[in-house]
Amino acid sequence: GAVVSQHPSWVICKSGTSVKIECRSLDFQATTMFWYRQFPKQSLMLMATSNEGSKATYEQGVEKDKFLINHASLTLSTLTVTSAHPEDSSFYICSARLPRGSNQPQHFGDGTRLSIL
Amino acid sequence: TQLLEQSPQFLSIQEGENLTVYCNSSSVFSSLQWYRQEPGEGPVLLVTVVTGGEVKKLKRLTFQFGDARKDSSLHITAAQPGDTGLYLCAGSFGGYQKVTFGIGTKLQVIP
Repeated sequence: GAVVSQHPSWVICKSGTSVKIECRSLDFQATTMFWYRQFPKQSLMLMATSNEGSKATYEQGVEKDKFLINHASLTLSTLTVTSAHPEDSSFYICSARLPRGSNQPQHFGDGTRLSIL
Repeated sequence: TQLLEQSPQFLSIQEGENLTVYCNSSSVFSSLQWYRQEPGEGPVLLVTVVTGGEVKKLKRLTFQFGDARKDSSLHITAAQPGDTGLYLCAGSFGGYQKVTFGIGTKLQVIP
């Protein structure tokens, strides 16, 4: 149980393109999902907390107009990187938490490798 | 911002050796998780600890949570090459939803 699916796993696109990444909880409903960014040889950095039916909460320094988050259902959150540039190239990972309390662990998708040329 | 220290950052050992990874904070954890991540993949949950003094075992992995809930350790007995990976501890504080990740321990087990 607690499977999180992330798609696509790899994206290569030209500078200026907008890229959408999907995060789905396959066997549970997730009122909250999280989006992380991971640079090579570094740990995960939280970008934003995605809340179903309401606006996402962004971490300090993360541009909300650059990284658009939509959590329209209990099983799907999307992250759109708008007008992507080479510096946006990174490994993006989503996670979802079982709704049974704040001590529940987060379960992660397999990540999306984004490369902007 | 809650800080979470993890050590060592790098560890290279021979197959069959034992090792311990540590995770510490100056604040009390509400809960703490250990994850293992392979290159190009998302972290995979190994264990969650919540109660001070708690010990959990997962085959050759032993996880301990400090009595004061400010520290945790991961001990691997007789390491195998398949244990190679990035081990991450992650903790939540004060019942908040988001977690803080440690910098990770990159483990290499040499056959």
